[in-house]
Amino acid sequence: QKEVEQNSGPLSVPEGAIASLNCTYSDRGSQSFFWYRQYSGKSPELIMFIYSNGDKEDGRFTAQLNKASQYVSLLIRDSQPSDSATYLCAVGSGSARQLTFGSGTQLTVLP
Amino acid sequence: GAGVSQSPRYKVAKRGQDVALRCDPISGHVSLFWYQQALGQGPEFLTYFQNEAQLDKSGLPSDRFFAERPEGSVSTLKIQRTQQEDSAVYLCASSSRGGMNTEAFFGQGTRLTVV
Repeated sequence: QKEVEQNSGPLSVPEGAIASLNCTYSDRGSQSFFWYRQYSGKSPELIMFIYSNGDKEDGRFTAQLNKASQYVSLLIRDSQPSDSATYLCAVGSGSARQLTFGSGTQLTVLP
Repeated sequence: GAGVSQSPRYKVAKRGQDVALRCDPISGHVSLFWYQQALGQGPEFLTYFQNEAQLDKSGLPSDRFFAERPEGSVSTLKIQRTQQEDSAVYLCASSSRGGMNTEAFFGQGTRLTVV
């Protein structure tokens, strides 16, 4: 059983809408949570990380973490066509020597 | 360099051939990671170096895979006797501190195709 689960999508939202991406994880000892964006044929790039329960906002992006439910999400406000990419959720232990990635959710923002 | 550099960008190997993939991390970055990404999947951890020490190699799929970072900078991932299931993109990442809790930067990857 994969340790980090994401809905593979594709998820389509109209331009200007809020895109909501979800991720669940199985290891209750996980302490660090990351969202990466990967454009087709490119390498992953870090969008946000979150360590504590609650919300963390950075510009148009908000990460939400609920450790009791083993759930982490990413909200993208005012979605733009340039946000169209695959979004990877990644989970790490305290030392984060290795991250466990989900399979990614493909997001398409329609103009 | 400005970013993590990997070479070659593309490699086609005949089954049974040995290959060597190179990663040049951001200058001064302590931590270096190798990940394998199959088509349509997320990256999967292979191994982790802190300086020249290989602290975690639990993700290497078989003893055909070997990684080194002898001087704590450039790293090489070697795959011996390549098999078709080794076909994937091999990603290298580096970060300025131990682990990936701080921002880790990925290279563009090496796409390996075993025929």
